[in-house]
Amino acid sequence: GENVEQHPSTLSVQEGDSAVIKCTYSDSASNYFPWYKQELGKGPQLIIDIRSNVGEKKDQRIAVTLNKTAKHFSLHITETQPEDSAVYFCAAGDNAGKSTFGDGTTLTVKP
Amino acid sequence: DAGVIQSPRHEVTEMGQEVTLRCKPISGHDYLFWYRQTMMRGLELLIYFNNNVPIDDSGMPEDRFSAKMPNASFSTLKIQPSEPRDSAVYFCASSFGGPPQHFGDGTRLSIL
Repeated sequence: GENVEQHPSTLSVQEGDSAVIKCTYSDSASNYFPWYKQELGKGPQLIIDIRSNVGEKKDQRIAVTLNKTAKHFSLHITETQPEDSAVYFCAAGDNAGKSTFGDGTTLTVKP
Repeated sequence: DAGVIQSPRHEVTEMGQEVTLRCKPISGHDYLFWYRQTMMRGLELLIYFNNNVPIDDSGMPEDRFSAKMPNASFSTLKIQPSEPRDSAVYFCASSFGGPPQHFGDGTRLSIL
């Protein structure tokens, strides 16, 4: 089955700096790569996703990149704000719905 | 849009008891997912449905777990009998057309 590794497990940045979280996956058949943000006491919230026919996608301050050859994908958050502090999860899966999640990155943005 | 609604939000019960978790997906969504989250194992997919039909239940831990979706607006996850190792946060998620898009706020289950 699919195996997703996520790094780093914790990340602390100063407000206004950029944050980068990286994931690798093992199953070359995976073609859907979502990112979720989870705040304390809440369920994960889908913030951005990318499919295998696209190398990069951007939505305001967040962007994702995908390297299918290397089986890497990354989340980039620019101009970080304290409200970006949360746990971020990457996932890899197929269009049918089955996704395997990474272990999460706890991002802290210091004012 | 009320989002995915789960009940109860918290459940504390003694081992051996039956536990039933409930989920109301977003209206119009055709996929429904049940996940379990623990510190040790992270977020695990237990089962998912498409148009009320179970598609993949390979993540269901054992026969003590069962899930049903009698109609498009309701699903249950049942554990019978419950054990302390079942303690976790259980999430329901729904989507239109594929992978999970909207998660509920979860049920925090504690088995004593």
